[in-house]
Amino acid sequence: DIQLTQSPSFLSASVGERVTITCRASQGISNYLGWYQQKPGKAPKLLIYAASTLQSGVPSRFSGSGSGTEFTLTISSLQPEDFATYYCQQVNSYPLTFGGGTKLDIK
Amino acid sequence: EVQLVESGGGLVRPGGSLRLSCEASGFTFNTFAMNWVRQAPGKGLEWVSSITSSSTYINYSDSVKGRFTVSRDNAKNVLYLQMDNLRAEDTAFYYCARDEGDYWGQGTLVTVSS
Repeated sequence: DIQLTQSPSFLSASVGERVTITCRASQGISNYLGWYQQKPGKAPKLLIYAASTLQSGVPSRFSGSGSGTEFTLTISSLQPEDFATYYCQQVNSYPLTFGGGTKLDIK
Repeated sequence: EVQLVESGGGLVRPGGSLRLSCEASGFTFNTFAMNWVRQAPGKGLEWVSSITSSSTYINYSDSVKGRFTVSRDNAKNVLYLQMDNLRAEDTAFYYCARDEGDYWGQGTLVTVSS
């Protein structure tokens, strides 16, 4: 099984800051990686697919990069509505797996 | 408008069974693979099962293999998850989602407790 390790697990940041979340895969997954945002009591929302493609309707301050085993999600300038938990997911092979999550809260 | 609406969750005793349903609308259901994903309260996301558009290929996580069965009725636009021999560790919100990850239901809570 492919393990995904997200870092950090927790992140405190301020509005306007630039933040980066990392997701490392235990083996190469090409670009078969997505990023999700989840707010309490809500279903996950797809932000990025194929490692770097912005999902329709997602603000351009979100960006993804990487290939192989190392991936990043960057939020260029945090907005109040961005405080949430973020997950990466690999869709390269079964079983599909998620990272452990990164909780982003307000400093 | 694409909608996925889960139902069928509830409280069940260990060893019991439940069948979840996911009613799809607003898209051509029979052309999309579908997934079930669960989330224990306060925990992370866990993929449970996937089924291709015509049910040709089905996959399960090791944690549910042999106990859960995914199926779909393309004539009714409904995805199912039959859950048997339920355990306490199956307690979670269960979400159905399009394979692309772009649309998810609101989730249904399954609680396994005596």
